[in-house]
Amino acid sequence: DTGVSQNPRHKITKRGQNVTFRCDPISEHNRLYWYRQTLGQGPEFLTYFQNEAQLEKSRLLSDRFSAERPKGSFSTLEIQRTEQGDSAMYLCASSLYGVHEKLFFGSGTQLSVL
Amino acid sequence: GESVGLHLPTLSVQEGDNSIINCAYSNSASDYFIWYKQESGKGPQFIIDIRSNMDKRQGQRVTVLLNKTVKHLSLQIAATQPGDSAVYFCAENGRGGSNYKLTFGKGTLLTVNP
Repeated sequence: DTGVSQNPRHKITKRGQNVTFRCDPISEHNRLYWYRQTLGQGPEFLTYFQNEAQLEKSRLLSDRFSAERPKGSFSTLEIQRTEQGDSAMYLCASSLYGVHEKLFFGSGTQLSVL
Repeated sequence: GESVGLHLPTLSVQEGDNSIINCAYSNSASDYFIWYKQESGKGPQFIIDIRSNMDKRQGQRVTVLLNKTVKHLSLQIAATQPGDSAVYFCAENGRGGSNYKLTFGKGTLLTVNP
């Protein structure tokens, strides 16, 4: 499978714990995005990288959230001191920057904070 | 604020019928629009896109129509099949140039009855 890969698919944690998700983009894609989706809603932009540089962060991304893409390939999204309101599907997408840029999404990590 | 919205939250059709899913947008700066299909437990899957310099674009069994005058976007699915059952989202880029930072609508649930 050469699509966007996300791990784990599901994560259940207790409030206050830290969690980390991983995203492996399509190999030739230089842009990587994190979105969050709650039940019944469309995905909301969180942040994106071009190569290893994090170029924009949404106001939705509180100080408890941090994303990295150290070598311009895979990315991690960490949530510290999780809260019940963090429960959502965390989606990763990747694209090849250019005029005909298209975002391709992974299957997401479903986070449940108890 | 600027947003992308959908006229109908649910749509039920008979197998073989044509489906039309509508979307209204309010950001006049948007110049790129995309339709995504999301099946349960999966990430959004790219269906078709259109730029603001076009008013119609066709794919395999799908057609996207863009009416910039009334800021309206629609997705037509011909000969709808049970496998088309999913939530459909329209998304727009909200700005000229690069297509990152998509803004998604709430979604329409399409149910295809056999």
